[in-house]
Amino acid sequence: QVHLQESGPGLVKPSETLSLTCTVSGGSISPYYWNWVRQPPGKELEWIGYVYHSGTTNYNPSLKSRVTMSVDSSKNQFSLKLSSVTAADTAVYYCARATGPKWDLPYFDSWGQGTLVTVSS
Amino acid sequence: DIQMTQSPSSLSASVGDRVTITCRASQGIRHYLAWFQQKPGKAPKSLIYGASSLQSGVPSKFSGSGSGTDFTLTISSLQPEDFATYYCQQYYTYPWTFGRGTKVEFK
Repeated sequence: QVHLQESGPGLVKPSETLSLTCTVSGGSISPYYWNWVRQPPGKELEWIGYVYHSGTTNYNPSLKSRVTMSVDSSKNQFSLKLSSVTAADTAVYYCARATGPKWDLPYFDSWGQGTLVTVSS
Repeated sequence: DIQMTQSPSSLSASVGDRVTITCRASQGIRHYLAWFQQKPGKAPKSLIYGASSLQSGVPSKFSGSGSGTDFTLTISSLQPEDFATYYCQQYYTYPWTFGRGTKVEFK
């Protein structure tokens, strides 16, 4: 049973960069899609993007100019960086795994517990 | 972006009730639709993918159907642990998008 755990600062100042790491245990980084999804307080879920085990990325166009994702297979970790944050970026950030056969589209199957990141001075 | 519209936004039900939630996509997404359950303060739990395939370990009281633009999630006999918010999500095109959720409350 794979387990995902987010880690990183819970408080980030406006205009700074939010950095989170997700550690994967009980499974391999390969051959999955590693995602970040966020949920502002009381609101719906928003997909931020994914990094494939090979390092290929795919970002939500609404955040693409500020997002960088990477994967470190040696540590079984992947990370998110979101630059120039504002109060609108305050949310619970979830890491999640997407899987599926190579011939079909990937879907979510496992989620981390989430971590609240507040943007405030 | 594909818009996902869920209805109702909330519903009240009793233990043992059959509950149906609908999700409509703003354009056709074939069968690339997933459902999630989220309880307060907890991470989403994946229930269904491919519109009707149950994730491993999900009880058979949950079922999904639909294709194209219209989908449903049915809980055959509501139990106390099923009171939660349910979200649909399309993964047919990027960016992946979610519905606004349906909150299932105790009547």
